[in-house]
Amino acid sequence: RKEVEQDPGPFNVPEGATVAFNCTYSNSASQSFFWYRQDCRKEPKLLMSVYSSGNEDGRFTAQLNRASQYISLLIRDSKLSDSATYLCVVKGNGANNLFFGTGTRLTVIP
Amino acid sequence: EPEVTQTPSHQVTQMGQEVILRCVPISNHLYFYWYRQILGQKVEFLVSFYNNEISEKSEIFDDQFSVERPDGSNFTLKIRSTKLEDSAMYFCASIRTSGSGNEQFFGPGTRLTVL
Repeated sequence: RKEVEQDPGPFNVPEGATVAFNCTYSNSASQSFFWYRQDCRKEPKLLMSVYSSGNEDGRFTAQLNRASQYISLLIRDSKLSDSATYLCVVKGNGANNLFFGTGTRLTVIP
Repeated sequence: EPEVTQTPSHQVTQMGQEVILRCVPISNHLYFYWYRQILGQKVEFLVSFYNNEISEKSEIFDDQFSVERPDGSNFTLKIRSTKLEDSAMYFCASIRTSGSGNEQFFGPGTRLTVL
């Protein structure tokens, strides 16, 4: 069973659109949750941490549902520069290593 | 802004050769990690290192692999007798402290190609 599952996409959306990504995780003891962004052939970079209460950073909103073991990311008013692969990442309980989803590829079209 | 650095950016080697991938974590960080990403696949955890010893390792991290912190700044991953399937991006990461919510900072990666 995969630790973290994501829809790989691709999602092709026009500029200005709102797009949502979902992710599920298998380990109910997981403690920390993140969305990372990865550009082609580059390293993952933290986009935002995900908190139980939900959190927002500009055009980005992340939600966590512990009961359903489900994480989401909403991007509003998409920009061309948002084109990337979005990685759902989970840190287990007592472990520092991260478990990555396969990523969801987003392309924002002019 | 401090960053994790890795060398070389690209390493090409023959099957069966040994390679050493180098990383310089952020200077005040205490926990160090290696991950790999085979082309088109997800990022996978290899090993974590704290207080000069391995704290966790994955199934991928078998006897072919070893890590070392030979001095106060470098953190290396050695792959003995490389195989074709070792071709991947190898990312080093570091974090200052453990605990929920702390960001791991990733280096730019070393692309390893085994021929």
